Amino acid sequence: SQTIHQWPATLVQPVGSPLSLECTVEGTSNPNLYWYRQAAGRGLQLLFYSVGIGQISSEVPQNLSASRPQDRQFILSSKKLLLSDSGFYLCAWTGGAEGYTFGSGTRLTVV
Amino acid sequence: DAKTTQPNSMESNEEEPVHLPCNHSTISGTDYIHWYRQLPSQGPEYVIHGLTSNVNNRMASLAIAEDRKSSTLILHRATLRDAAVYYCILRDAWGGGTSYGKLTFGQGTILTVHP
Repeated sequence: SQTIHQWPATLVQPVGSPLSLECTVEGTSNPNLYWYRQAAGRGLQLLFYSVGIGQISSEVPQNLSASRPQDRQFILSSKKLLLSDSGFYLCAWTGGAEGYTFGSGTRLTVV
Repeated sequence: DAKTTQPNSMESNEEEPVHLPCNHSTISGTDYIHWYRQLPSQGPEYVIHGLTSNVNNRMASLAIAEDRKSSTLILHRATLRDAAVYYCILRDAWGGGTSYGKLTFGQGTILTVHP
């Protein structure tokens, strides 16, 4: 069966520090991968998606970047965090017309 | 992306059926109707999806209007664990266009279930 792993679960980082969040999928190949962010009390915003290794599409210009170094690995990064980067970050995958499967999320607080 | 309209909130009593409506008057012929729910502090969970015909699974039923401009998610017997934000989302058919089947979340409907 397919599983998605996302870590860490919580993170507190100072302004200006770097960020690296990792997401991995098991049990499938060539998944479509997605990074979403949910600010406190708000809806989910699609940040990046990837349809293959090295293929990244950005939905919203921002202080973040994404990379897909391996088929089932998706990484969200920042060189210098801003206060506005705080939020609940979710990774998701899908293999076709079926529904998305979301990870358990990382709650990031930038202080 | 075609948009959906949902009520901001709904309430139900435990063990009663719940009908969550969604309007999508600009739906295209290749759009699937997806429903997700999000419990507090968790990622969204897939509930059900359909194209034209009504769909049933272990979690819920999806009733789709004949003109596909609206749909209703039906929880047959609400439990306290069903209290969540429910999202109705239109998704391009797999492999179509340049959207790669992206899900664009709206504000959803906050469902409160009373004991």
